[in-house]
Amino acid sequence: NAGVTQTPKFQVLKTGQSMTLQCAQDMNHNSMYWYRQDPGMGLRLIYYSASEGTTDKGEVPNGYNVSRLNKREFSLRLESAAPSQTSVYFCASSEEIAGSNQPQHFGDGTRLSIL
Amino acid sequence: AQSVTQLGSHVSVSEGALVLLRCNYSSSVPPYLFWYVQYPNQGLQLLLKYTTGATLVKGINGFEAEFKKSETSFHLTKPSAHMSDAAEYFCAVRAPRNDMRFGAGTRLTVKP
Repeated sequence: NAGVTQTPKFQVLKTGQSMTLQCAQDMNHNSMYWYRQDPGMGLRLIYYSASEGTTDKGEVPNGYNVSRLNKREFSLRLESAAPSQTSVYFCASSEEIAGSNQPQHFGDGTRLSIL
Repeated sequence: AQSVTQLGSHVSVSEGALVLLRCNYSSSVPPYLFWYVQYPNQGLQLLLKYTTGATLVKGINGFEAEFKKSETSFHLTKPSAHMSDAAEYFCAVRAPRNDMRFGAGTRLTVKP
């Protein structure tokens, strides 16, 4: 009963390095999301994907790119990491039913430090 | 745009005391509202969600939330706190295009 799986769980990067955060869900959800969590700011949406092949910007997309590889997988890429991107990153997925308030299901997060 | 405001970044209660975590929302349409809990080094887990028409919503672990349209509030309560309730709690509202907007969070401490 995996739900949403994120890899890696921890990562330390140097400024300017690149990396890709991986996310996979096994609940057959259409929608997937990437958030960042910073102290005192709750979660802020970086990008989301309403269905396979589509992506859209969220509240804080600058410095990030995403790929919806297939229905299960949604990756987040930092092309040139900056210290301001030090954060905890969460992936989430949800089932979309018109007129119904479906919740989002979250992974355990990736703790990323940029030195 | 829809948003939520959580009143109090930190709440401390004694074990067995009432837990009250406050959330006010802003929405021009009937909102989809949620409460999530986050334990250390874990992701967010759904506590409960608001269902249109309901006023009192029951969730897991003995938590419930009361929806008050007149006060635009969706406060979370639990009659008797347990040590295991210590965590961070987030109120969230579902915005147009399926964006979820989260409050800044309230850290609950439970004293023995």
